[in-house]
Amino acid sequence: AQTVTQSQPEMSVQEAETVTLSCTYDTSESDYYLFWYKQPPSRQMILVIRQEAYKQQNATENRFSVNFQKAAKSFSLKISDSQLGDAAMYFCAYRSPGNQFYFGTGTSLTVIP
Amino acid sequence: EPEVTQTPSHQVTQMGQEVILRCVPISNHLYFYWYRQILGQKVEFLVSFYNNEISEKSEIFDDQFSVERPDGSNFTLKIRSTKLEDSAMYFCASSEAPAAGYNEQFFGPGTRLTVL
Repeated sequence: AQTVTQSQPEMSVQEAETVTLSCTYDTSESDYYLFWYKQPPSRQMILVIRQEAYKQQNATENRFSVNFQKAAKSFSLKISDSQLGDAAMYFCAYRSPGNQFYFGTGTSLTVIP
Repeated sequence: EPEVTQTPSHQVTQMGQEVILRCVPISNHLYFYWYRQILGQKVEFLVSFYNNEISEKSEIFDDQFSVERPDGSNFTLKIRSTKLEDSAMYFCASSEAPAAGYNEQFFGPGTRLTVL
């Protein structure tokens, strides 16, 4: 069964600094997609970044980048130059070839001014 | 920018009552989903819906649950006889038919269901 594990329930970072949120997953599939979603206090989840498993190159979206290690089944999110608006719950998600999403338990990120 | 909308934002019901949660997906999307998030826990997949039928469902989605697309715009989740443990935030999501495979899901703001 597919599982997604986020081992850091809470993280904090100084404004303008860099923080890395970890995520590991378990699957027997070779082709799948991975996502990071942000859930601000308003509670609507927003896609931050996504990665196709068959692509070796790590995805990057402005200040957000991932470190995708397929063999290790690891998919961490790096936020550079952290801003106050980055404070939110971050969920790592795995999408199976059958289009089912599996979410981790989330990491609550606090940005300290 | 188009978005997924959900009504009501908060629903309070008595145990054993039926509730219907409503969602309006993005208009050109063909895949629809329901998820739930019990307070403090992770988001859990309930069901996906395509072409007027369920394409996948989780173990949570038992006979007490049903989904329907009653018209061209709404997508509903019905809980027939609510239990205390059904109290959660319910999220609707929609996506275009998979083309390149990314199939990004757009989430609604959620309906908080409280069962008393």
